[in-house]
Amino acid sequence: AQKVTQAQTEISVVEKEDVTLDCVYETRDTTYYLFWYKQPPSGELVFLIRRNSFDEQNEISGRYSWNFQKSTSSFNFTITASQVVDSAVYFCALNKWGSFKTIFGAGTRLFVKA
Amino acid sequence: NAGVTQTPKFQVLKTGQSMTLQCAQDMNHEYMSWYRQDPGMGLRLIHYSVGAGITDQGEVPNGYNVSRSTTEDFPLRLLSAAPSQTSVYFCAAETEGTEAFFGQGTRLTVV
Repeated sequence: AQKVTQAQTEISVVEKEDVTLDCVYETRDTTYYLFWYKQPPSGELVFLIRRNSFDEQNEISGRYSWNFQKSTSSFNFTITASQVVDSAVYFCALNKWGSFKTIFGAGTRLFVKA
Repeated sequence: NAGVTQTPKFQVLKTGQSMTLQCAQDMNHEYMSWYRQDPGMGLRLIHYSVGAGITDQGEVPNGYNVSRSTTEDFPLRLLSAAPSQTSVYFCAAETEGTEAFFGQGTRLTVV
């Protein structure tokens, strides 16, 4: 069975602080995809990144970076120099390659205070 | 470029009423799905379809029906609404090699 755990329910930081959102997953599949989505207060779901299980390279996109470690089954997300606009709920998700049945974590609500 | 369109955006139902949530996509993606989002539980898969004429159950299918007569449309039917179905519903479309493209969501309240 597949499972995604986001142990941090809520995180509160002050603007310009760095923050890491944790994601731990469980799967018996050898080929799978991992995702991060952002849900701002307006409610829509915004895709941030997709990573396949064969690509363990870390990725950086502006202030966002992702650390994928298969050895610990983790796919953590770091926001550098956080801004108020980063305030949102962030979801980590997993699906098996070739299957579109995506499993989502419970989400982490991030508050960034000015 | 509409992507995935859900209607309505808001709906209030009385217990026992039925209704259909509409979902349409213009990306020609073969896979479509319905999720519900509840506080503290993330998104849970209700039903999904891998193509026209093919549907299957997800994690929480009870009380919902779906059909997929065309690639573009994937309606979700509530047969007899219950307060436990109060939630935010998201429709998504995707294809191999892409992320899921979500609609704007439908906020449903059953009283």
